[in-house]
Amino acid sequence: QKEVEQNSGPLSVPEGAIASLNCTYSDRVSQSFFWYRQYSGKSPELIMSIYSNGDKEDGRFTAQLNKASQYVSLLIRDSQPSDSATYLCAVLMFSGGYNKLIFGAGTRLAVHP
Amino acid sequence: GAVVSQHPSRVICKSGTSVKIECRSLDFQATTMFWYRQFPKKSLMLMATSNEGSKATYEQGVEKDKFLINHASLTLSTLTVTSAHPEDSSFYICSASARTGPNTEAFFGQGTRLTVV
Repeated sequence: QKEVEQNSGPLSVPEGAIASLNCTYSDRVSQSFFWYRQYSGKSPELIMSIYSNGDKEDGRFTAQLNKASQYVSLLIRDSQPSDSATYLCAVLMFSGGYNKLIFGAGTRLAVHP
Repeated sequence: GAVVSQHPSRVICKSGTSVKIECRSLDFQATTMFWYRQFPKKSLMLMATSNEGSKATYEQGVEKDKFLINHASLTLSTLTVTSAHPEDSSFYICSASARTGPNTEAFFGQGTRLTVV
């Protein structure tokens, strides 16, 4: 089983719609979860971090965390063509005295006008 | 977010030579730095985690003698690809965080595209 799993997509949504991106993880004791956005040929950019169960909202983005189900999601409201990118879910694992930031394979989002 | 600078952004080298990539945290002290490589249309593969002043912890399958990581100060980590070969061509990205432990955000450098000819 992969440590962090995402649907590779592509996820195609019309402009103005809600895009829903999902991620599951295997390490039950992980406490820190992140969503990054990566445009083609560029390095990842941090969008959201979430550490507690429930929802966390930042502008058009809402991250949701359910530790019991080992599930984290990202909702993008009012999707724009500029949101078209690969979205990477990352889980911070603390083991043996050091951190490991592990990424999922990423979900490619395409927002069409 | 915090600023992490990675240099060079692109490098072309001859097979058998070594290449050094620098990663600097510009506005915070980076206790931990992560080094990743990424192949086209693939996700980031963690190569190693380095903590300032101690040896890097390498992931399984990553050759320590091939990919030398040094984290000599709280603002600088370097990755040296030794005796590079064409199969080492990839996008290398560093990430830095201010703390070790949970609830720690990590910020990425711009990445280095290495081409070995």
